Amino acid sequence: DGGITQSPKYLFRKEGQNVTLSCEQNLNHDAMYWYRQDPGQGLRLIYYSQIVNDFQKGDIAEGYSVSREKKESFPLTVTSAQKNPTAFYLCASSTNQAYAGELFFGEGSRLTVL
Amino acid sequence: QKEVEQNSGPLSVPEGAIASLNCTYSDRGSQSFFWYRQYSGKSPELIMFIYSNGDKEDGRFTAQLNKASQYVSLLIRDSQPSDSATYLCAVPKPAEYGNKLVFGAGTILRVKS
Repeated sequence: DGGITQSPKYLFRKEGQNVTLSCEQNLNHDAMYWYRQDPGQGLRLIYYSQIVNDFQKGDIAEGYSVSREKKESFPLTVTSAQKNPTAFYLCASSTNQAYAGELFFGEGSRLTVL
Repeated sequence: QKEVEQNSGPLSVPEGAIASLNCTYSDRGSQSFFWYRQYSGKSPELIMFIYSNGDKEDGRFTAQLNKASQYVSLLIRDSQPSDSATYLCAVPKPAEYGNKLVFGAGTILRVKS
């Protein structure tokens, strides 16, 4: 079955630690995205990538980093510079590079900073 | 002004009633609009999209777009308890502003049996 796999589903982190969230897709989609969701705030874009070896900052990129070395993979690192990292993180992909209308989401990763 | 605005709700409707969810947007040039449904603790899934003015029906769902007033709505007929979820309105930014989807904060819908 084609889809997007995010791991881990739940992650606890101590302050000052970097963590990396995995996102893998087998849909052969060119574009991939990372969103953050906080209660009552909808989804906010962190980073996106339209092609391998290229990515752009979204609206809230500070404290995060990504890489796109393979078409299938788009990992997100939450660094210690992110002031309030506790959130629900969603990875998504789409076929259309012209605009991201139809997004396919992974199941999400819930990060809690202790 | 937020790019995409929704009433957070919750909107409570009895089973079998029509649920009406509204969304306003700021960019007059927007041409396409998307509705996602998100169950509690789950990821969003696309349920409807609409391009330009008019109505679009898909089963119990109808999307309505009024470009003059810059709002898009989602009607759910014969609402079921399984429709209880958060509904997210989303609008793509033009390519020159980055190929990304801007989401509203979502409206919580509760269908009571």
